[in-house]
Amino acid sequence: QVQLQESGPGLVKPSETLSLTCTVSGGSISSYYWSWIRQPAGKGLEWIGRIYTSGSTNYNPSLKSRVTMSVDTSKNQFSLKLSSVTAADTAVYYCARDSGMGASPWGQGTLVTVSS
Amino acid sequence: EIVMTQSPATLSVSPGERATLSCRASQSVSSNLAWYQQKPGQAPRLLIYGASTRATGIPARFSGSGSGTEFTLTISSLQSEDFAVYYCQQYNNRGTFGQGTKVEIK
Repeated sequence: QVQLQESGPGLVKPSETLSLTCTVSGGSISSYYWSWIRQPAGKGLEWIGRIYTSGSTNYNPSLKSRVTMSVDTSKNQFSLKLSSVTAADTAVYYCARDSGMGASPWGQGTLVTVSS
Repeated sequence: EIVMTQSPATLSVSPGERATLSCRASQSVSSNLAWYQQKPGQAPRLLIYGASTRATGIPARFSGSGSGTEFTLTISSLQSEDFAVYYCQQYNNRGTFGQGTKVEIK
């Protein structure tokens, strides 16, 4: 079955750019949307955005100015960049497959802390 | 941006009882509504999509209903493994989550 795994630095300095990659295994990345969702400690889920394998994107309007997503079909990976981070961006970041009928499956999540 | 509002924030239920969770959208999302279950330290799990279709492997005690702006998730007879936080998400226009409902043991 399809599995997703997030990877990237666990600590990012304020004002810098957060970069994460999600590797898809057990299936092709083609012909699906792929999403990023985050969750601050003890809080709810926030949808960051999604990318189709063609490169088409949809972003959360509140984050749009700072978010860039990309996809590398040759590596079965997609990526998230979030610029100008602050402590408010500290969260567990999840990647997930979006089939247009909800998000499933999800990666296990990776904690990113913004701190100097 | 579509705002999703869940109620109640916390629901105290005894094992074996029925739980009813609500989710309201600020504008119509048709039937483009999903429900997720999240347990501590775990990623969310898709339960329901299309407002009422159970995802693969989800027990029949979970059911979803509604369309437009009003949605309900019902757990017919709560099992010990069902105590968790539940989120709704609209995917009609981008994707927005509700703030969650915690189902706790009474």
